[in-house]
Amino acid sequence: DADVTQTPRNRITKTGKRIMLECSQTKGHDRMYWYRQDPGLGLRLIYYSFDVKDINKGEISDGYSVSRQAQAKFSLSLESAIPNQTALYFCATSDTGTGDYNEQFFGPGTRLTVL
Amino acid sequence: SQELEQSPQSLIVQEGKNLTINCTSSKTLYGLYWYKQKYGEGLIFLMMLQKGGEEKSHEKITAKLDEKKQQSSLHITASQPSHAGIYLCGADRSGAGSYQLTFGKGTKLSVIP
Repeated sequence: DADVTQTPRNRITKTGKRIMLECSQTKGHDRMYWYRQDPGLGLRLIYYSFDVKDINKGEISDGYSVSRQAQAKFSLSLESAIPNQTALYFCATSDTGTGDYNEQFFGPGTRLTVL
Repeated sequence: SQELEQSPQSLIVQEGKNLTINCTSSKTLYGLYWYKQKYGEGLIFLMMLQKGGEEKSHEKITAKLDEKKQQSSLHITASQPSHAGIYLCGADRSGAGSYQLTFGKGTKLSVIP
């Protein structure tokens, strides 16, 4: 079984709808991240969480919110989806115990299309 | 903030050929990570480099971090169709311990059988 799972894998929605993307991990890592990937722009960090009570904005958090329901679960919400949020979304995890370095493990991605 | 420039943006090679992908940083690299992504799928961690001059290999892929720690190269020897995909470099955003990775835009590799 995959260590980092994302649901759904694909989603098509309409402008204005509320959408939730879910991420679960079995790696036992404290840190979790949400990124989006756009052609020509690479990966950009949306939000990250170091533990259940520690949530931080990344470089492009506007229009998004997150919830860390448990160590293993980190959800990303689009309160009112807009077309420019069409992208490939990735969840990632990393282990606190790696010291100064930050090897991250990625889920398979969720392809979101906002019409 | 740190910017990572990858070159080339895309690469098409004949199976069996060697190739090199470069990742250049605007700042000193404290931790440099190489990932591979199959089109539309998740990122697979390849290797991490920390020290200037460090070199690591995994199967036919070798990555190096230069002495000045501002550039890394990924070299594939005797390429195979299984090497095709997008290669991304990532670095700690603002130095060691920042825990936020910034990524290059990726290099798309195609291997022709």
